[in-house]
Amino acid sequence: DVKVTQSSRYLVKRTGEKVFLECVQDMDHENMFWYRQDPGLGLRLIYFSYDVKMKEKGDIPEGYSVSREKKERFSLILESASTNQTSMYLCASSLSDSRRALHFGNGTRLTVT
Amino acid sequence: AQKVTQAQTEISVVEKEDVTLDCVYETRDTTYYLFWYKQPPSGELVFLIRRNSFDEQNEISGRYSWNFQKSTSSFNFTITASQVVDSAVYFCALSEANTGTASKLTFGTGTRLQVTL
Repeated sequence: DVKVTQSSRYLVKRTGEKVFLECVQDMDHENMFWYRQDPGLGLRLIYFSYDVKMKEKGDIPEGYSVSREKKERFSLILESASTNQTSMYLCASSLSDSRRALHFGNGTRLTVT
Repeated sequence: AQKVTQAQTEISVVEKEDVTLDCVYETRDTTYYLFWYKQPPSGELVFLIRRNSFDEQNEISGRYSWNFQKSTSSFNFTITASQVVDSAVYFCALSEANTGTASKLTFGTGTRLQVTL
């Protein structure tokens, strides 16, 4: 079974802090994704990566950056956290074929105070 | 741009009732894929089903069934004889066919299903 592991289940950070959310997958998937989930808005794509060092903006990239130095690891970076980035963050991975389902981690609930 | 609409925000049913979750999508592509995911209280989204745009056959898996109608751009999900364990948020999602880089899933806003005894 594919395992997507997010390093933290809960995080509390202060406004202005630099925040790193880490995600690791163990199935050699080409694609990795970061979504945020907010009530009433569903899941919205922040960034995705289709190969090492390759990244593309999703629908809401502002205030975020990403890093993919190794195939199995995809990091989401909040350069200067703000309260409107309080949310549930979900990492996912998949094979390159768009028919393939995404496999999700358990999520990181980030609170910015 | 692609769009997925799940008009039902919350549904509450009593155990053993049948329930249908609606999903309507928009896309300009002729080749695309539709998905349903379940998010139980634990938080991890679980893949339930995928359909491609060329296959309009309905599918049944145990108590779950899916009705894909291209003419109305809908991909509805029915749970027969619902159980408390079906309580979760259900997401419908749309993916366009590969264009060289990773294809993105566009999700609906989700339907929260509450099944009570």
